Amino acid sequence: NAGVMQNPRHLVRRRGQEARLRCSPMKGHSHVYWYRQLPEEGLKFMVYLQKENIIDESGMPKERFSAEFPKEGPSILRIQQVVRGDSAAYFCASSPPSGAGELFFGEGSRLTVL
Amino acid sequence: LAKTTQPISMDSYEGQEVNITCSHNNIATNDYITWYQQFPSQGPRFIIQGYKTKVTNEVASLFIPADRKSSTLSLPRVSLSDTAVYYCLVGDSNSGGYQKVTFGTGTKLQVIP
Repeated sequence: NAGVMQNPRHLVRRRGQEARLRCSPMKGHSHVYWYRQLPEEGLKFMVYLQKENIIDESGMPKERFSAEFPKEGPSILRIQQVVRGDSAAYFCASSPPSGAGELFFGEGSRLTVL
Repeated sequence: LAKTTQPISMDSYEGQEVNITCSHNNIATNDYITWYQQFPSQGPRFIIQGYKTKVTNEVASLFIPADRKSSTLSLPRVSLSDTAVYYCLVGDSNSGGYQKVTFGTGTKLQVIP
């Protein structure tokens, strides 16, 4: 039973380019969360999605960031016109349909903006 | 939202028992207390969850006093591989998810040979 899969694990972008991070939740999980972690800091909630719905995006920056979780395929976190401050580790987590219990995290995607 | 406070770092020798305490003074009635472990360059991993009194699993024990305003994660006989960051989370994960739960900076445990 595969865990939460994130790709790419490492992504390098130049300022102004777009970054797309993908997350496939665990089998049977329909809730996805995205977190951002800056070096030496804790994880900060960004967005919570269920299939085809954004439930809570209160942690997402208002501009340049967007997330989706389509009916088919992985959840995608998209960052447009990246800046150096976007350099961070982005973690995806999933939980069962009830939304209860533990979160299962992926290994993260590390974005470096040159 | 229940805010948590935990020590920034701790050191321990191998083989000792380690207790990490987390304060959550404004915990709500429906909130659970959950601990996660994170190794460098990896995603956090669930350790244990509890509501009150004591919970034990194969990895750790969680002690929660009657007023629930704090909790203590206990790691028996730590080894070098327990060196990690430990996060205490408080939230009502049973009513729709973790979107309001913040991980904070956690406690960086360094196990010394």
